[in-house]
Amino acid sequence: GAGVSQSPSNKVTEKGKDVELRCDPISGHTALYWYRQRLGQGLEFLIYFQGNSAPDKSGLPSDRFSAERTGESVSTLTIQRTQQEDSAVYLCASSYIGPEAFFGQGTRLTVV
Amino acid sequence: KNEVEQSPQNLTAQEGEFITINCSYSVGISALHWLQQHPGGGIVSLFMLSSGKKKHGRLIATINIQEKHSSLHITASHPRDSAVYICAVPRETSGSRLTFGEGTQLTVNP
Repeated sequence: GAGVSQSPSNKVTEKGKDVELRCDPISGHTALYWYRQRLGQGLEFLIYFQGNSAPDKSGLPSDRFSAERTGESVSTLTIQRTQQEDSAVYLCASSYIGPEAFFGQGTRLTVV
Repeated sequence: KNEVEQSPQNLTAQEGEFITINCSYSVGISALHWLQQHPGGGIVSLFMLSSGKKKHGRLIATINIQEKHSSLHITASHPRDSAVYICAVPRETSGSRLTFGEGTQLTVNP
């Protein structure tokens, strides 16, 4: 596709349920990033995939969060046993070589 | 002290005014991003610059690498410019995760 695509755009889930968020990066982009922004707060890094290297998971806030990426394609961010503090906009970005990053429109997650 | 600091945090302007948003950073960088975030949460990359100045329409971004400072200017501001403007820098020169400023909430009144 022409840009980074995320789905769903909005997700409302009950506390305790698992959710899966999807990111389709720009074709050929080797790097993929997940960020989140909780209400009233700045963007924070979650996880970074670069090619076939081991991902940088240093930003994941708890072991309820995990992410996978198959090769240089789609990535899924999974949140298990969601909590209300997980409510946020989850943003995905991809890049090829160098620091220029292209962002998706985000998934707004609301845990009720 | 945050690695990326923006000022002001909030800015209200009248339509037509010239607007400046500032960003200071403490890490060594290869490039700096200016991003625009609208109320729905989606982010648009406005500029990525590593030196000098870039212009796109009514938007101008400048960077001074020695002083570790960048500014985003909006000329002839319009209500549709109302958004959060975010400065972001990569941690490493080869391209990596971004560290974000807290953002500047801009409101342009008609």
